[in-house]
Amino acid sequence: EPEVTQTPSHQVTQMGQEVILRCVPISNHLYFYWYRQILGQKVEFLVSFYNNEISEKSEIFDDQFSVERPDGSNFTLKIRSTKLEDSAMYFCASSTRTGGSYNEQFFGPGTRLTVL
Amino acid sequence: QKEVEQDPGPLSVPEGAIVSLNCTYSNSAFQYFMWYRQYSRKGPELLMYTYSSGNKEDGRFTAQVDKSSKYISLFIRDSQPSDSATYLCAMSGTYKYIFGTGTRLKVLA
Repeated sequence: EPEVTQTPSHQVTQMGQEVILRCVPISNHLYFYWYRQILGQKVEFLVSFYNNEISEKSEIFDDQFSVERPDGSNFTLKIRSTKLEDSAMYFCASSTRTGGSYNEQFFGPGTRLTVL
Repeated sequence: QKEVEQDPGPLSVPEGAIVSLNCTYSNSAFQYFMWYRQYSRKGPELLMYTYSSGNKEDGRFTAQVDKSSKYISLFIRDSQPSDSATYLCAMSGTYKYIFGTGTRLKVLA
């Protein structure tokens, strides 16, 4: 069964460093998402991406964050200068369609980011 | 007022009990209502989704949506220890999902 994969499973970084979290969405999906979950808190939407553009982003997704689909398979989230409060699980999701009809978003297993 | 509210629990029930999990929401634009199950340090896994108001049943799980009250429920019949997990409600209107905080459920053998 096709699934969303994410690498690495755990990333440890120093405050101020740049990190890139990688995702491989399901191959025929066209819509891609990043969510984060701070330990013990709810899953929060960060950004959605379609046709090489950001469709929607939350207030969390500030200038320190960027997303990219560098090739036909990967979808990345970059955090330019990490802060302690960026420590969280980051989930990638993908779907075949969005808006106007049900779009099941399939979630990856997550990348745990620890900022020291 | 939060967009989606969900009691975080924890909720402990004996094996075989009927479990009722609930969420309320404030945004009347939500059209799709989902229930996800999440095990510790794993990604959310879809259990059921419902469009607009009504009931949907899948095996031991029943999802209910009451749009007039802005209230959704998930019922688990004959609960099993393997149902122990965190249950997240999620809602959407456009691109993004809005999640509840999740209810931690423990089914005791």
